[in-house]
Amino acid sequence: GQQLNQSPQSMFIQEGEDVSMNCTSSSIFNTWLWYKQDPGEGPVLLIALYKAGELTSNGRLTAQFGITRKDSFLNISASIPSDVGIYFCAGRRGGSNYKLTFGKGTLLTVNP
Amino acid sequence: NAGVTQTPKFQVLKTGQSMTLQCAQDMNHNSMYWYRQDPGMGLRLIYYSASEGTTDKGEVPNGYNVSRLNKREFSLRLESAAPSQTSVYFCASSDSGTTGEQYFGPGTRLTVT
Repeated sequence: GQQLNQSPQSMFIQEGEDVSMNCTSSSIFNTWLWYKQDPGEGPVLLIALYKAGELTSNGRLTAQFGITRKDSFLNISASIPSDVGIYFCAGRRGGSNYKLTFGKGTLLTVNP
Repeated sequence: NAGVTQTPKFQVLKTGQSMTLQCAQDMNHNSMYWYRQDPGMGLRLIYYSASEGTTDKGEVPNGYNVSRLNKREFSLRLESAAPSQTSVYFCASSDSGTTGEQYFGPGTRLTVT
């Protein structure tokens, strides 16, 4: 089946640093979504992207829909301890297919 | 709005026992989904219901059954639990429009011994 390659698998950073992570695919997606999962909780939607080249921000988070429609990027600026968690990307091919394909996640640890 | 709710939050079963995981959403969404999450495997789709009255298999349906009881509720049943079904189970819902955004419940942590 389709796969999303998400990198890096884990990151350990100092508070205040910026963070970048990305997802790539061999397939084209019409929608890219970014989720965050806190320990013991369900994933929470952070940002949704619908057009190639689109750049969308949510507070200190910025995500981009790649021009080729095969990749997406998430940046977190000035990280804080509550940014700790697992970040997932997800892609949707579109049309009547509602299913999402998920990356395996990036585990972010922020050292105060 | 509670969003997506799941019960129970934790469950321990013995091999061969059966149980039903419950999910409900109050967002008037048409589509609902069941996923399992295992370490290193990410989220894998078990079953989904595109609209009330329809269900379809996802990536890993073996050993599970589902029921879309009404627009709000979508249950997942394990008829004869196996240790390989030890996992965290998430229910999600989405509008059947073009956005594809799915909203997740808090999860059920299931251990099969």
